[in-house]
Amino acid sequence: EVLLVESGGGLVQPGGSLRLSCAASGFTFSSYWMHWVRQSPGKGPVWVSRVSKDGTSTNYADSVKGRFSISRDNTKNTLFLQMNTLRGEDTAVYYCVRVNDYTMDVWGQGTTVTVSS
Amino acid sequence: QSALTQPPSVSGSPGQSVTISCTGTNSDVGYYKRVSWYQQSPGTAPKLIIYEVSNRPSGVPDRFSGSKSGRTASLSISGLQAEDEADYYCSSYRSNITWVFGGGTKLTVL
Repeated sequence: EVLLVESGGGLVQPGGSLRLSCAASGFTFSSYWMHWVRQSPGKGPVWVSRVSKDGTSTNYADSVKGRFSISRDNTKNTLFLQMNTLRGEDTAVYYCVRVNDYTMDVWGQGTTVTVSS
Repeated sequence: QSALTQPPSVSGSPGQSVTISCTGTNSDVGYYKRVSWYQQSPGTAPKLIIYEVSNRPSGVPDRFSGSKSGRTASLSISGLQAEDEADYYCSSYRSNITWVFGGGTKLTVL
């Protein structure tokens, strides 16, 4: 079974940092670009970032550029999102997503990040 | 405000058909065939139901179909069932390496 399991969410103060992880199983992790997508309550999903199959190429949404960093460890089938200088508007459920030829075909269950004092 | 425009809600009775629209720009929906649709029930992750405008992943009933004309994509659901009640989101790849989503449409089965 193809599975993505996120962890690392929680409550953090504005300006703080958090590192999200996503454990992949059931498929060849190193064969896929991987993305992070977030969704605030009652809103549509928003694309955050992506990393290439080998981890050498990354892209970010303008709203997180310079603050977030995506990476992966193909030896451990794990995707990461380092989030720094967090703001209230970063509060959301963060999903780890597998992308197959531009289609987001497998989503994790999500991990909740709350930025509040 | 979301990048793609969807109606906030649609409704239909069991057995009827509904269509949800998704309007973008010439940089996303109007240019690429990389339009997807997702179904999301409360407290769960989005689930892919249509990709590349009109293709269904295995396991998705053929009651679900997708199409596109110009800058507007559409999701049609025929033979509505109670289990179809959920939020539906469209998504498209956009030039300059980004993906955009709609604000979502709540489907109510009366």
